[in-house]
Amino acid sequence: AQKVTQAQTEISVVEKEDVTLDCVYETRDTTYYLFWYKQPPSGELVFLIRRNSFDEQNEISGRYSWNFQKSTSSFNFTITASQVVDSAVYFCALREGGSEKLVFGKGTKLTVNP
Amino acid sequence: EPEVTQTPSHQVTQMGQEVILRCVPISNHLYFYWYRQILGQKVEFLVSFYNNEISEKSEIFDDQFSVERPDGSNFTLKIRSTKLEDSAMYFCASKGGYTFGSGTRLTVV
Repeated sequence: AQKVTQAQTEISVVEKEDVTLDCVYETRDTTYYLFWYKQPPSGELVFLIRRNSFDEQNEISGRYSWNFQKSTSSFNFTITASQVVDSAVYFCALREGGSEKLVFGKGTKLTVNP
Repeated sequence: EPEVTQTPSHQVTQMGQEVILRCVPISNHLYFYWYRQILGQKVEFLVSFYNNEISEKSEIFDDQFSVERPDGSNFTLKIRSTKLEDSAMYFCASKGGYTFGSGTRLTVV
């Protein structure tokens, strides 16, 4: 069965610090997709990235970067030089190739203090 | 940029009442989804809908729930007889989960 684990429930950092949010997944499928979403205090879910299982290349988008490692079933998310506006709950999610449903982790609440 | 629109943003209903949550997905998308998030918890899949029928549903999506695409633009989630534990944020999403609506917060009293 598919499962996503975000072991960090809450993280608190000071502005300009780098922070990494961990995501470990379980699946028996060889084809799957991994996602990250941001949920700010206003409550909406904001799509950040999708990665498929055949593309292990790491990705950088501005201050955000993602490290996908199939060997450890991890898809970690790093924010460089964090800002107060990065404060939110971040969810990692998995979709298996034969399914349309996203399975979410429990989320990591990130607080960036000024 | 195209958006998924959900109405209302907040709905309060009496226990046992029927409620309909509305979504306008992105027009050229073919798959639509409903998810829910109980306050402070993770987001949970309810149902996916393709070609005017349910393609996949979770164990949460029991006989109290139904979905419909009554016309070419709206996608609705109906809860027939609401329970206190149905209180949650309900999200509509469009193809692949790239785009979620801003959610409807349902409060059952």
